[in-house]
Amino acid sequence: GESVGLHLPTLSVQEGDNSIINCAYSNSASDYFIWYKQESGKGPQFIIDIRSNMDKRQGQRVTVLLNKTVKHLSLQIAATQPGDSAVYFCAESYSGNTPLVFGKGTRLSVIA
Amino acid sequence: EAGVAQSPRYKIIEKRQSVAFWCNPISGHATLYWYQQILGQGPKLLIQFQNNGVVDDSQLPKDRFSAERLKGVDSTLKIQPAKLEDSAVYLCASSLGTSTGEQFFGPGTRLTVL
Repeated sequence: GESVGLHLPTLSVQEGDNSIINCAYSNSASDYFIWYKQESGKGPQFIIDIRSNMDKRQGQRVTVLLNKTVKHLSLQIAATQPGDSAVYFCAESYSGNTPLVFGKGTRLSVIA
Repeated sequence: EAGVAQSPRYKIIEKRQSVAFWCNPISGHATLYWYQQILGQGPKLLIQFQNNGVVDDSQLPKDRFSAERLKGVDSTLKIQPAKLEDSAVYLCASSLGTSTGEQFFGPGTRLTVL
C-alpha cells in the first residue's frame, strides 16, 4: 500500500506494551482536539477527541491527556497490538467551528 | 453504512496538464471537505462546503484549483494547470454537522505530477 509519510518521528513498541504518542499544538486558543489514525493507503480514521474543559478522556484501549499549560496532547494506547501500527496525527480547532489543523504525525510500529 | 468514496485512486499527469478528482460523501452528511496531504505531513484543508455553499476556501490556490459541490452531494476538485508541487494525496472527508467534529475520510487520490 501507499506510505502515508516518510521521515516521520517513529515509535517502536513491543506487542502488548503500552504506547504513548505525544503532540505539541500550536494555538493557545485551540479548545478542541482530535487524534486520528492513518494506515497505509487509507484516509485518517477518528480515534478520540477532547475539549479544553477536560484534561483526560478515555475510550476503548485509548486515553487522551491534555495539558493546556504547556500546549501538549498525548495519546496512550494500552496493550498495543499489531493492528495499531499506523501514523497518528493530532489535530486542533478553535471552538469547534474553525478548520482542523493537523500536526505532522508520528509513526507507530508494533513489534510482534 | 457506505463510507466516503473517491476516484480515481491514483493519477499520474505531466506538469501543466489538468486533472479532476471526484468525491461522494456519506449519505446525509451536510459538510464536505477537501484536504491536500503532502508526503510526510498532516492533511491541510483546501476547501469546506456546507451543502452546496463554500464555508472556507482560504487555503485553496484559486489561480489553479477549483472545486464545486453541485446539488449539495458529490463534489469535484480540479487542478489546472498542475505543478510539480501539487503531487500529494487529495483526501475528501464529510461530516454530519457544520461544527468541527468527527470527520469521515475517504481513501484519497494519490496525484503524481511529472
